[in-house]
Amino acid sequence: DIQMTQSPSSLSASVGDRVTITCRASQNIDNYLNWYQQKPGKAPQLLISAASTLASGVTSRFSGSGSGTDFALTIDSLQPDDFATYYCHQSYTPPHTFGRGTRLEIK
Amino acid sequence: QVQLQESGPGLVKPSQALSLTCTVSGGSLSSGSYYWNWIRQPAGKGLEWIGRVYMSGSTKYNPSLKSRVTISIDTSKNQFSLQLTSVTAADTAVYYCARNSYLGLVVSGGFDHWGQGALVTVSS
Repeated sequence: DIQMTQSPSSLSASVGDRVTITCRASQNIDNYLNWYQQKPGKAPQLLISAASTLASGVTSRFSGSGSGTDFALTIDSLQPDDFATYYCHQSYTPPHTFGRGTRLEIK
Repeated sequence: QVQLQESGPGLVKPSQALSLTCTVSGGSLSSGSYYWNWIRQPAGKGLEWIGRVYMSGSTKYNPSLKSRVTISIDTSKNQFSLQLTSVTAADTAVYYCARNSYLGLVVSGGFDHWGQGALVTVSS
């Protein structure tokens, strides 16, 4: 199985900050890397697919980068609605695997 | 707008089988453009992919669950289903059905539509 190592596991930031979450795959996954936002009691929502393609309806304050094994999700100008848990996910090959999540909290 | 909705018992006894159905509206399971997946999440924990089915009935399962999992599809009803046998307390979780794009026999896209989730508790 491909292991997805996501960091940090938690992050405190303030409204207006810029934050970056990273994800490393245990082998090359080209650009088959996706990012999700999950709020308590809700299903995850796709933010970014194919490493850098913004999903429909997602604000451009979210951006993704990387290829191969190293990837990043950046959120510009944090808004109150952005405080949530974020997951990376590889869709390169089954079994699909996820990072363990990054909990973004308000400082 | 595609919508997915999970349904099934919320309580299952240990050693019995868990069965869930995902009903899809606003789109057809007969479309060759998508895989149809099951994903679960224990309370307070991360996401685990269980497996997927294609319109042809072809399946892929997570090896960690493969011996206990069956995913099937009924295109006439626009539904796909999950059966997990010999459940234990470790199978207690919120179970999601989700769609992702078919990009090839192996690679696929992100999960762009999800059901709201169904909590299944394994307890006697």
